[in-house]
Amino acid sequence: EVQLLQSGGGLVPRGGSLRLSCAASGFTFSTYAMSWVRQAPGKGLEWVSDIITSGDTTQYADSVKGRFTISRDNSENTLYLQMNSLRADDTAVYYCAKRGYYYDGSPYHYYFDSWGQGTLVTVSS
Amino acid sequence: SSELTQDPAVSVDLGQTVRITCQGDILRTYSASWYQQKPGQAPVLVIYAKNNRPSGIPDRFSGSSSGNTASLTITGAQAEDEADYYCNSRDSSGYHPRVFGGGTKLTVL
Repeated sequence: EVQLLQSGGGLVPRGGSLRLSCAASGFTFSTYAMSWVRQAPGKGLEWVSDIITSGDTTQYADSVKGRFTISRDNSENTLYLQMNSLRADDTAVYYCAKRGYYYDGSPYHYYFDSWGQGTLVTVSS
Repeated sequence: SSELTQDPAVSVDLGQTVRITCQGDILRTYSASWYQQKPGQAPVLVIYAKNNRPSGIPDRFSGSSSGNTASLTITGAQAEDEADYYCNSRDSSGYHPRVFGGGTKLTVL
């Protein structure tokens, strides 16, 4: 059974830093791209960042570019999100998500097939 | 990035059929996936690759696509289907599933 167990959220002052972790089990972590998705209170889902299997390539939403860093440790089956220079509008529940893929002819179908339980990050002003 | 548009709210009578739609130009080329989210819980994948259901998702959930519109249909809606539903597809680069629709709140009457 796939499990993504998150940790590291909490209350942080504006301008502060926080690191989120997502411990994976039940699948071969090193063979799947991973993502972070967040949800501000009462709002919809927003993609934040993703990282390919090797960790060599990462991408970020414009809203977090230059402040957040995604990384992974394939030897420890863990995904991370380092968040710096936090702002009030970063307040959200953050989810890690495993990217699944399915091929039935071109193009590939991509989707998020498993999600962590979510961790709340509150940035106080 | 591309944009996916959903109706904010839809209602359905218990046991009836409801269709939730997602519109976006990217859907002419790439499929949408659908997620169910109940209050206080993480999203759950319900449909992927046009009309595939993960293990454990009831067969009353189905997906379809036509032109720039993807649809999630619930045939015989149950009380436990009341939730927010989000579609997701690739961004304008066409490489990554980074764009979510705004979500549809489904109420089962």
